[in-house]
Amino acid sequence: DAGVIQSPRHEVTEMGQEVTLRCKPISGHDYLFWYRQTMMRGLELLIYFNNNVPIDDSGMPEDRFSAKMPNASFSTLKIQPSEPRDSAVYFCAQPAEQGNTGELFFGEGSRLTVL
Amino acid sequence: EDQVTQSPEALRLQEGESSSLNCSYTVSGLRGLFWYRQDPGKGPEFLFTLYSAGEEKEKERLKATLTKKESFLHITAPKPEDSATYLCAPRTDKLIFGTGTRLQVFP
Repeated sequence: DAGVIQSPRHEVTEMGQEVTLRCKPISGHDYLFWYRQTMMRGLELLIYFNNNVPIDDSGMPEDRFSAKMPNASFSTLKIQPSEPRDSAVYFCAQPAEQGNTGELFFGEGSRLTVL
Repeated sequence: EDQVTQSPEALRLQEGESSSLNCSYTVSGLRGLFWYRQDPGKGPEFLFTLYSAGEEKEKERLKATLTKKESFLHITAPKPEDSATYLCAPRTDKLIFGTGTRLQVFP
């Protein structure tokens, strides 16, 4: 079991470009979370899914952000168009055990830089 | 509004010098308080869960305690490998992370 796998690990893009971040979670777990981490604001919850259905997207900053989970093995976070203020580390996370939404297992993150 | 404050923001300790990190919170409907450790370039790693005031959890040189408004992470005789950022996160319907305490332990 390789854990939560995120790609790309690093992305540098120019303002206005579309960015797609990917997460391959551990199969069979019910929840999936997307977080964003910056120095100023720390770790912020963007959206989470339960059984592939988006439950709470109130943390998504604006309509430029969208997330999908087409099946239990894959999720994407898309930013279109990207802006410099989107520069951050984006994490995908899952419960370490079914239903325990406090004890999370995080991927290693995707560091996004928008120029 | 739910709020979490961690202090200090940064802490430098000599190896063996014990200290405590603070997590103050104001949340509605607390369903546990969680501590995580984060190393540079990595995702946070779960350490402890505390559910009720007075509860304590220990792991090696770390001990976490909980009151109704605060949690403390006590570090006894730290070693350089304890250097990391420590995050606390009270949970309501979701985790609310503090901005962390960056701990550096020097030999």
